[in-house]
Amino acid sequence: DAKTTQPPSMDCAEGRAANLPCNHSTISGNEYVYWYRQIHSQGPQYIIHGLKNNETNEMASLIITEDRKSSTLILPHATLRDTAVYYCIVGSGATNKLIFGTGTLLAVQP
Amino acid sequence: GAVVSQHPSRVICKSGTSVKIECRSLDFQATTMFWYRQFPKQSLMLMATSNEGSKATYEQGVEKDKFLINHASLTLSTLTVTSAHPEDSSFYICSARPTGYGTDTQYFGPGTRLTVL
Repeated sequence: DAKTTQPPSMDCAEGRAANLPCNHSTISGNEYVYWYRQIHSQGPQYIIHGLKNNETNEMASLIITEDRKSSTLILPHATLRDTAVYYCIVGSGATNKLIFGTGTLLAVQP
Repeated sequence: GAVVSQHPSRVICKSGTSVKIECRSLDFQATTMFWYRQFPKQSLMLMATSNEGSKATYEQGVEKDKFLINHASLTLSTLTVTSAHPEDSSFYICSARPTGYGTDTQYFGPGTRLTVL
């Protein structure tokens, strides 16, 4: 499975968009990009996933570059409840596994 | 939809005892479930993949005789920590992958905090 690189931490003002980057330069053609978040002492929460097209749901948008070597998760209007560790994971159907890296701690400031 | 529960949410036990943790998919069937462990200030570490009706597949370094996994139905997997010791104290989290969805998205339970005295 391809590895991902994320900044260890980011700040965002409440009400602003939070843009969380992820590098996955070794991603292969059949590997999806998944985003999860973990609020302190809880299980991870699924946010969104994509293969090569940009995706949007009620929680966030996922922008994947054309070469698929990086992606950005966008929370359009961050709230204090969005403070969490955000994990970008690359996974393929072959192994079914999700291997978690260290993630980005997003702190939303009032 | 896609709710996963774990029981118990918190358990404290004496060293040498065994502890069973249940993971249930409440509104979907899951041929495959996963067990993770998370130590304080660290990321989740995959321990094993649990397959309904067959033996679990363990990650390198995880002792299968110590962490017994049973996946007897499409909605239930159990993890038993045998002869628990203080170093087994951790946050144990399960996840379930819906059968037949055509995606590898996993949905996670709320976790079980194990403290071994």
